[in-house]
Amino acid sequence: GESVGLHLPTLSVQEGDNSIINCAYSNSASDYFIWYKQESGKGPQFIIDIRSNMDKRQGQRVTVLLNKTVKHLSLQIAATQPGDSAVYFCAEKEKGAQKLVFGQGTRLTINP
Amino acid sequence: NAGVTQTPKFRVLKTGQSMTLLCAQDMNHEYMYWYRQDPGMGLRLIHYSVGEGTTAKGEVPDGYNVSRLKKQNFLLGLESAAPSQTSVYFCASSYGWLAGVRETQYFGPGTRLLVL
Repeated sequence: GESVGLHLPTLSVQEGDNSIINCAYSNSASDYFIWYKQESGKGPQFIIDIRSNMDKRQGQRVTVLLNKTVKHLSLQIAATQPGDSAVYFCAEKEKGAQKLVFGQGTRLTINP
Repeated sequence: NAGVTQTPKFRVLKTGQSMTLLCAQDMNHEYMYWYRQDPGMGLRLIHYSVGEGTTAKGEVPDGYNVSRLKKQNFLLGLESAAPSQTSVYFCASSYGWLAGVRETQYFGPGTRLLVL
């Protein structure tokens, strides 16, 4: 079946640098995408979402980019801080469906 | 406003024992979900509910049952626990997939289950 996946399982960045976490999806019928952050021992926390009629959406220090042509989603975190260390999951929803499909996650570690 | 809460936080079971995990939300959400998360993996949907009195199977429903007798509660039951059910279980809720309404799922803190 179709699934959401990630290019890299781990990502290490220097504190203060920008982080880019990538996600590939294969379901062309997906119309909604979402990024979650999961810190150790906690439940996933919503970061930002985007609908398929948009290419870009910005939040506080985060930006999500959607490229429907190549079925690619990315999360950009500006000026990465130690508190950004976590596992980041992308998820997608097929149009008309009632549930999300999650990717495997990328672990982001911050080097001082 | 507590959001999504889960009970218990941690439990150890012997193979063959049964238990029920409780999820409660105070956001008046229509949709509720149960996921399991295994080490190094993403979230896999077990069962979900789109409203009081309704349930539906997710990706990995075998060995689990659910009930949604009240809108604010979603129960996950294991009738005969197996070691393969050792995992972290997350409950989530949302308003539902309505156009123009944020469809974000809000997650609880998780229940760690160990089956010996």
